[in-house]
Amino acid sequence: QSALTQPPSASGSPGQSVTISCTGTSSDVGAYNYVSWFQHHPGKAPKLMIYEVSKRPSGVPDRFSGSKSGNTASLTVSGLQAEDEADYYCSSYTSSNNFEVVFGGGTKLTVL
Amino acid sequence: QVQLQESGPGLVKPSETLSLTCTVSGGSVSNSNYYWSWIRQPPGKGLEWIGYIYYSGSTNHNPSLKSRVTMTLDTSKNQFSLKLSSVTAADTAVYFCARLPPAMVTFDYWGQGTLVTVSS
Repeated sequence: QSALTQPPSASGSPGQSVTISCTGTSSDVGAYNYVSWFQHHPGKAPKLMIYEVSKRPSGVPDRFSGSKSGNTASLTVSGLQAEDEADYYCSSYTSSNNFEVVFGGGTKLTVL
Repeated sequence: QVQLQESGPGLVKPSETLSLTCTVSGGSVSNSNYYWSWIRQPPGKGLEWIGYIYYSGSTNHNPSLKSRVTMTLDTSKNQFSLKLSSVTAADTAVYFCARLPPAMVTFDYWGQGTLVTVSS
């Protein structure tokens, strides 16, 4: 069982918005603004989409946005496009053992 | 553009040692601004951080793996490596290498991953 809880699936039609949640605890998501989101097309290298809760690396469309409230972080994909269909994983820093990063179990995003 | 590529045996016998190497291009493993990390994904499960190594050779790893993890750096080949000892079927996974900027506490570049199966 993964340390962070994500819904196993999410879906939306092209042009719509979808939000994926990532629930942790007061020791990880709730304690630090070091939540990241990764997009993974199977067989390819995972891609960093969001870091530090809401920051986008250069080249990531602004259709992708991140937020956090309490122990739950969220990734919102607006204006869904076919190429957004992928697995999405969240991660968070946790200091429970010096330095450690924990991940979510992943959410399969389907563009209908 | 930074690229990482994992390599190593795809099949390891139980109780033996899993050995993987990550070759970095477009960047240097001697760069003090980054840690070099390993992450794995068992079939049908989520991601698990294994550990990281710094250019100085210092390491840190997931305590759940106890003392089975050894990580090394080869600056002459611009590579870093992972050894996981006493493997069991539970260590069957896709293994990824990734770059970790500590200031960002995230993984900004990843390899494609390599499947390692533990089976006799």
